[in-house]
Amino acid sequence: DTEVTQTPKHLVMGMTNKKSLKCEQHMGHRAMYWYKQKAKKPPELMFVYSYEKLSINESVPSRFSPECPNSSLLNLHLHALQPEDSALYLCASSQGKGYEQYFGPGTRLTVT
Amino acid sequence: RKEVEQDPGPFNVPEGATVAFNCTYSNSASQSFFWYRQDCRKEPKLLMSVYSSGNEDGRFTAQLNRASQYISLLIRDSKLSDSATYLCVVNGGDMRFGAGTRLTVKP
Repeated sequence: DTEVTQTPKHLVMGMTNKKSLKCEQHMGHRAMYWYKQKAKKPPELMFVYSYEKLSINESVPSRFSPECPNSSLLNLHLHALQPEDSALYLCASSQGKGYEQYFGPGTRLTVT
Repeated sequence: RKEVEQDPGPFNVPEGATVAFNCTYSNSASQSFFWYRQDCRKEPKLLMSVYSSGNEDGRFTAQLNRASQYISLLIRDSKLSDSATYLCVVNGGDMRFGAGTRLTVKP
């Protein structure tokens, strides 16, 4: 089973809202990732958790706040987003950093 | 210079054609290499890992040249279902994606 699940599939939020994206994997992977992807662009790495500790934060604005409650779950908390934050947010997991990553279907976020 | 560079494409080929994509990377310490395919409005899916000795999976062949710092993907006997964007991914500490190459296979 190489499934990574993400909820919700779609999200529309206003600039003053607070929302959370959720990601789950049951492959026993110890590294989990958040990516942002704009149309016709490759995914851009936002955060990496390795063994439930944040190991990479690619200078992402503080309005994005990641959380890794346990080795199977990854959340991305959103607050005071801007319209330019509208994108596909992808979660991925891997056995460890450097191994092949498996992506979830993504959350398509629209900020109004 | 970008860390990972790919042919921008688009590549438009007829069914049955052979098509090759190249990708160069700048970090000589990179340790692992992958090709992903991404369909429109879907997530990237792992196509194959790329090993130093080269590897083949059906109609797909991937090769790595560490000395020249490039990887390649060859698709033989193209099918309509091969139409997608192909992403080159290089791990040099963390994963870096190329911009992707769009392939359209036409009847």
